[in-house]
Amino acid sequence: AQSVTQLGSHVSVSEGALVLLRCNYSSSVPPYLFWYVQYPNQGLQLLLKYTTGATLVKGINGFEAEFKKSETSFHLTKPSAHMSDAAEYFCAVSDQRYGGATNKLIFGTGTLLAVQP
Amino acid sequence: DGGITQSPKYLFRKEGQNVTLSCEQNLNHDAMYWYRQDPGQGLRLIYYSQIVNDFQKGDIAEGYSVSREKKESFPLTVTSAQKNPTAFYLCASSGQLDNSPLHFGNGTRLTVT
Repeated sequence: AQSVTQLGSHVSVSEGALVLLRCNYSSSVPPYLFWYVQYPNQGLQLLLKYTTGATLVKGINGFEAEFKKSETSFHLTKPSAHMSDAAEYFCAVSDQRYGGATNKLIFGTGTLLAVQP
Repeated sequence: DGGITQSPKYLFRKEGQNVTLSCEQNLNHDAMYWYRQDPGQGLRLIYYSQIVNDFQKGDIAEGYSVSREKKESFPLTVTSAQKNPTAFYLCASSGQLDNSPLHFGNGTRLTVT
């Protein structure tokens, strides 16, 4: 069965510092992996996704993530944090339990990123 | 602009009442989803629909019902049988390709007292 684990429910960084949000997944089939961002009282917005091909994926707002099959990881990084990056971040893996042409996702529990001035 | 509209943004109900949350999309997506979000638990799938007039239960369907009479609309009813209905509800849609990302609405925060 697929699952997602996000290490660290709260991460705090200083403005300009490296952002690293951790995500490990479990999947019996080649996974599709996603990172979403959620600002307070809003829906989720796609940051980036990995399906096949290049393992380093670049997304919006300067974020990127690297798919490492040997480590079953898909960590999200950004070289320099900005105040506007403060939000909750969710890692997700495609849910392939039911089959069919749907895109149901299994989400991690989220990591709340705080950016200190 | 294309997108997903959820209404209302905030909803208050008394215990024992059914309540319906609206979700409309103009993205021409076939698939639609309802997720529930609780603090510290991420998002959990309630129901999903791949096509008009068809829908399936997700992981936490008990106490909820849906309909899909039109491609654009996927309303969710929270019934009095749902034991802990207070939550943030998110509607999403996607294309049919198996790596198409989900597009989310801005959510409805339901409070039941």
